[in-house]
Amino acid sequence: DSGVTQTPKHLITATGQRVTLRCSPRSGDLSVYWYQQSLDQGLQFLIQYYNGEERAKGNILERFSAQQFPDLHSELNLSSLELGDSALYFCASSLQGSGNTIYFGEGSWLTVV
Amino acid sequence: DAKTTQPNSMESNEEEPVHLPCNHSTISGTDYIHWYRQLPSQGPEYVIHGLTSNVNNRMASLAIAEDRKSSTLILHRATLRDAAVYYCILRDLYRDDKIIFGKGTRLHILP
Repeated sequence: DSGVTQTPKHLITATGQRVTLRCSPRSGDLSVYWYQQSLDQGLQFLIQYYNGEERAKGNILERFSAQQFPDLHSELNLSSLELGDSALYFCASSLQGSGNTIYFGEGSWLTVV
Repeated sequence: DAKTTQPNSMESNEEEPVHLPCNHSTISGTDYIHWYRQLPSQGPEYVIHGLTSNVNNRMASLAIAEDRKSSTLILHRATLRDAAVYYCILRDLYRDDKIIFGKGTRLHILP
């Protein structure tokens, strides 16, 4: 158990819909990262937040957005969903310093039908 | 993150040691060498990390070259459960930056 909690674990929704994925980082970790992994694809970095502020942006579509709240949990919002958005979405967290080990959650499986 | 280079895939027999290489010729003095692995349908899992000296933990050993331009992850006795994609990543001690994962090394374990 990495200490990073993601909900929901599985989600099936229709094209055009909007979903929200939730992430609770490890206790004390200030950084949260979101990654997307499609079937047989590598891990694609989407976005990073640090203590509530956006720190880095990767290959995140305009239809997607994220935020980190004062209690440090984070949400990834996916809207106008397309079939190609079906993927495993991972959240990760880290504590600055100590070599910056990053810990991943178990992921949220999103299926768009 | 500084660039690392790993073989695309490797094979090993069960219960034998496995040596997974990683080259990082542009490593800086404050970069830690991290290894993660991703089992099928799971999130990446931290394996080990080090700065200069060789490191051991319950999962693996990390051997770091004297010039730090390469490292080797050592699984002492591979099991079928070690079949995964292994990623070698550099993380700066003072910068909490995003990790860009490369393709890693896909390790196949033969029974």
